[in-house]
Amino acid sequence: GESVGLHLPTLSVQEGDNSIINCAYSNSASDYFIWYKQESGKGPQFIIDIRSNMDKRQGQRVTVLLNKTVKHLSLQIAATQPGDSAVYFCAESYTGGGNKLTFGTGTQLKVEL
Amino acid sequence: DAGVIQSPRHEVTEMGQEVTLRCKPISGHDYLFWYRQTMMRGLELLIYFNNNVPIDDSGMPEDRFSAKMPNASFSTLKIQPSEPRDSAVYFCASSKLAGVQTQYFGPGTRLLVL
Repeated sequence: GESVGLHLPTLSVQEGDNSIINCAYSNSASDYFIWYKQESGKGPQFIIDIRSNMDKRQGQRVTVLLNKTVKHLSLQIAATQPGDSAVYFCAESYTGGGNKLTFGTGTQLKVEL
Repeated sequence: DAGVIQSPRHEVTEMGQEVTLRCKPISGHDYLFWYRQTMMRGLELLIYFNNNVPIDDSGMPEDRFSAKMPNASFSTLKIQPSEPRDSAVYFCASSKLAGVQTQYFGPGTRLLVL
């Protein structure tokens, strides 16, 4: 039969605007979360992480927000640049889970000039 | 510092042939992970090692897949015999000591089985 690939949600933003990428996680026991960026033809690259004892963490141009009540994670990118175009994955893990990460399906970010 | 190194970067083979993918983790990292990425299934964990010992191989598709880590600086993922449905990008990642730690990924091996 015909194969069907994953349908990646796509976020299109104008250069210079702020981007917000969302992720819902399922395991209420998860206590560690990471955002990865994957450019075409490359491996996932670490962007920022957050532990469950925090609800916000900031990096250079990026901020991760964690809402444990609704099991929601978001990545905010300030002043989005063309080089930010990529697929962004959230990943979750939990203490006692053996350092395993469970990855989401990803969001394609497209930056328009 | 060198990141995770994988070889080959690209591999094209015929169905039935043996394929061996190689990985050198970041020095000092005690965990090594093998992932497969496809459009159909996204990023899947196949197997991971801690201190060269396989800890969880529940993601390995079937007996045609095997992985080894003979020492702290080298791991292989072998497919024998290969099938067209094995075509994917295979990533190796490594991380530090116990506790939940960031995984650092290699550039991947793009495998095409004809």
